[in-house]
Parts: sequence; C-alpha cells; structure tokens
Amino acid sequence: QSVLTQPPSASGPPGQRVIISCSGSGSNIGKNTVSWFQQLPGASPKLLIYKNNERPSGVPDRFSASKSGTSASLAISGLQSDDEADYYCASWDDSLDGQGVFGTGTKVTVL
Amino acid sequence: EVQVLESGGGLVQPGESLRLSCVGSGFTFGSYAMSWVRQAPGKGLEWVSGLSGSGDFTHYADSVKGRFTTYRDNSRSTLYLQMNTLRGDDTAVYFCAKTKSGGSFYVGTDFDNWGQGTLVTVSS
Repeated sequence: QSVLTQPPSASGPPGQRVIISCSGSGSNIGKNTVSWFQQLPGASPKLLIYKNNERPSGVPDRFSASKSGTSASLAISGLQSDDEADYYCASWDDSLDGQGVFGTGTKVTVL
Repeated sequence: EVQVLESGGGLVQPGESLRLSCVGSGFTFGSYAMSWVRQAPGKGLEWVSGLSGSGDFTHYADSVKGRFTTYRDNSRSTLYLQMNTLRGDDTAVYFCAKTKSGGSFYVGTDFDNWGQGTLVTVSS
C-alpha cells in the first residue's frame, strides 16, 4: 500500500505551470531522498528526478523538484501535450526492515 | 546501452509458484541495486523487493514478505523473483528496475532503467 500521498489529478493548458505534491512522514521523505517518475500510457516508468532535485541527462529543465521536511513537490513548467501522463514520487522508508515506497500517483491532463 | 529485460510471467492458479528473471546488460551488474516493482491493472506502482548489488541486503514489501524471495547471480547478470503461494491480488505487470546510484550495499528508489515488464496473472 502507498504511504506517500499525491493528489489524484492535476491539469492545465499548454504553457501553464503545474505542481504536484507528495506527502510522507519522518520515516521516509523526512529521512531519505525523493525520486519522481513519469509513466506515459502503456509505457514503463521513466526517471525524471533523483536525490530530491537532480535531473538525469536528457530530462528537460522544465521539470524541477524540491523537498521540505516530510513533503516534496514536482513542478512542470511550460506544459506540453506530451507531458500528459501519470507521475509518481518514491522514497525509502526506514520503518521496520526498510522498504521502498511509491506515491499514489497523479494523472496530469493538458487541457 | 543499458538494458534490463524481464521474463517468466504467465497464468497460474492461486497457491501456485512462479519465478521471474531479469537480465541486465550494458552496465556492471553487481555494482547496482536492483528492485522489482509491480503494477496491478489500472492501478499505481507498488515496490515489491530490492536487493543490494552485493546481494547481501534484501528488503521486501509487507504484502509479499514470507512468500516472495529475490536473489541475484551477478556472474550471469541476472535478478530473480521467486513467488510462492500466489494470490489473486498478486496479479500485475512486474517490472525489474536498476538504481542510478551505485555501491555494493545501497538499496534505493532512484530507478533509472526499467524493463518492459512481464505480466503475472493469478486466476483459477
């Protein structure tokens, strides 16, 4: 079950800025780094952000992220039609024996 | 080019077992943690298990602990997921994922390479 909470949906017209939140707790986001993934329909997830705010090579700088306390956020600037996808945050949770955790996912729609 | 490729999915009955495999290429397999992530039809991503590059540290989601075992053969650049006592709620596409950060003991969620997934269906 997901222990990181995201809004189920977000939307905006082309060119707009959209922000997706990811809420966790002291045992996950509060202690460990956050990654963000984009999943286009029918495709495998793609890494957008790692170590809270680092972009892998090839990911446009329209995608940015931050972390504060037990929450994180992903911002998509200059929204484009091919940004329409599901977005997931992820982190490590130190409770019990330690395990990975994903967010509930946010569907981004370009109006 | 870095690639990971899963295989072994299929249709099984409740209570049966199945073993998935994931072969990595284009990178030093034993230097990176690997994980299994699954996605039930129409649902979100669920982390299943993770294994350090050395194979010394293994972690499982509560939902599969005691039923699933993950292990690796670095000489064959292969990750495995042995799934026992399968249930209907284990039905999902299972992805193999490589972490971006290296290190023999690291297990994280910064997955920079994913396979295409293999479908496991548990049904009578």
